Amino acid sequence: GAVVSQHPSWVICKSGTSVKIECRSLDFQATTMFWYRQFPKQSLMLMATSNEGSKATYEQGVEKDKFLINHASLTLSTLTVTSAHPEDSSFYICSAGTGNYEQYFGPGTRLTVT
Amino acid sequence: AQRVTQPEKLLSVFKGAPVELKCNYSYSGSPELFWYVQYSRQRLQLLLRHISRESIKGFTADLNKGETSFHLKKPFAQEEDSAMYYCALSGTSGSRLTFGEGTQLTVNP
Repeated sequence: GAVVSQHPSWVICKSGTSVKIECRSLDFQATTMFWYRQFPKQSLMLMATSNEGSKATYEQGVEKDKFLINHASLTLSTLTVTSAHPEDSSFYICSAGTGNYEQYFGPGTRLTVT
Repeated sequence: AQRVTQPEKLLSVFKGAPVELKCNYSYSGSPELFWYVQYSRQRLQLLLRHISRESIKGFTADLNKGETSFHLKKPFAQEEDSAMYYCALSGTSGSRLTFGEGTQLTVNP
C-alpha cells in the first residue's frame, strides 16, 4: 500500500516549451502533496506544498509563475514547468502525505531541457 | 527556522562493522525526526521515525534533545545497507520535511 506514481519518468524538451509532470497516489487519498527538486549528488529541496482544492504554498526563491502546481483531487497533483530553460533540468520528486507526519515518495521525473 | 545537518557526505565501513550516521538538527519546538533511505535506482523510502521507537533492518536512532541529535546506528553493517541516507525533520503533523544533505554509506565485503 501507499504507492505514489509519477509520469513521465523521463522527459526531454526544448528550451521555451512547457512540461507537465503528474503525481498520483494510487491506493490512498493524500491530504497534502509536496514537490521537491534534486540536483545530482545533492539533497531534496522542497519547492512547494499543495493541498487539494487550494493554492500551493511555494518556498522562498521558487517562482510560482514558472512552476505551476495544480492539485485537482486527493489523488492527483501536477507540476508544470513553463517556458523551460536548461537550468531547469533536474530531478523532480513528489511526495504525498496523509496528515500523520509520514510522506510517501514518487520515483521521480528526470527533466532535461535542451 | 528548521535545519538538518549531516556532517558526513560519504561513509565507508566493512561488513560486520558497526556504523553510525550522524544527524544534528535545529528547531525551536518539538520536532519529528525521520531517517529516509534511497537504494540505488529506487525511490526514497522511510526507514524509521523517532516517535515509533522501533528498529528497522537492524537500524535504530535515538532522539537526543540535549544534543539536538538523531544519529542512526547499526551494530553490524551488511552489504545491502549500502545506500544514501537522509535525515529529515518535520515541525508539525502533515507539514513540510526539511532534509539533511545525505550520507552515502558504502559497506565493503
